[in-house]
Amino acid sequence: SQTIHQWPATLVQPVGSPLSLECTVEGTSNPNLYWYRQAAGRGLQLLFYSVGIGQISSEVPQNLSASRPQDRQFILSSKKLLLSDSGFYLCAWSRGGGTILNTEAFFGQGTRLTVV
Amino acid sequence: GQNIDQPTEMTATEGAIVQINCTYQTSGFNGLFWYQQHAGEAPTFLSYNVLDGLEEKGRFSSFLSRSKGYSYLLLKELQMKDSASYLCAVDAGNNRKLIWGLGTSLAVNP
Repeated sequence: SQTIHQWPATLVQPVGSPLSLECTVEGTSNPNLYWYRQAAGRGLQLLFYSVGIGQISSEVPQNLSASRPQDRQFILSSKKLLLSDSGFYLCAWSRGGGTILNTEAFFGQGTRLTVV
Repeated sequence: GQNIDQPTEMTATEGAIVQINCTYQTSGFNGLFWYQQHAGEAPTFLSYNVLDGLEEKGRFSSFLSRSKGYSYLLLKELQMKDSASYLCAVDAGNNRKLIWGLGTSLAVNP
């Protein structure tokens, strides 16, 4: 069966510090990978998605970046955090390829980031 | 543009039935998803509709009308644990990205 691991679960970081959130998927190959942010009381905002190693599409211009160094590893980074970066960050995967159900998304547990 | 609308909040009583509506306007359509999200947790998949009609899964059912750009999630025999946010999402066929509604926060009262 497929599983997705995301860590850490909670994080408190000072303004201006760097960020690295990691997500790994097991039990599937060539998944589509996503980073979302959910602000309090708001919907899911897609930040980045990737359909393959080294392929990153950015949805929202900001001080965050993403990388996919391995097929099942997705990393969200920042060189200098802003207060506005606080939120609930979710990693997700969906099946790659052209099957009709390939966009069903499976989510990691989430990381609650507080920038102080 | 792409747009999904659903009510912000709903309240219902334990044991009752509640219907959560979702309307969408998207450039394409490859299916509609409903997710449940408890406070502080990740969303979990509930249902998927790509053809018109009703899909039933235990206490939960989801309906789709593509011509009307409309879906609803029906929850029967409500339990306290059903208190959560319910997210509607559409696959608009745009590079495998889902378009998400803001979610409907459902409070189930005893």
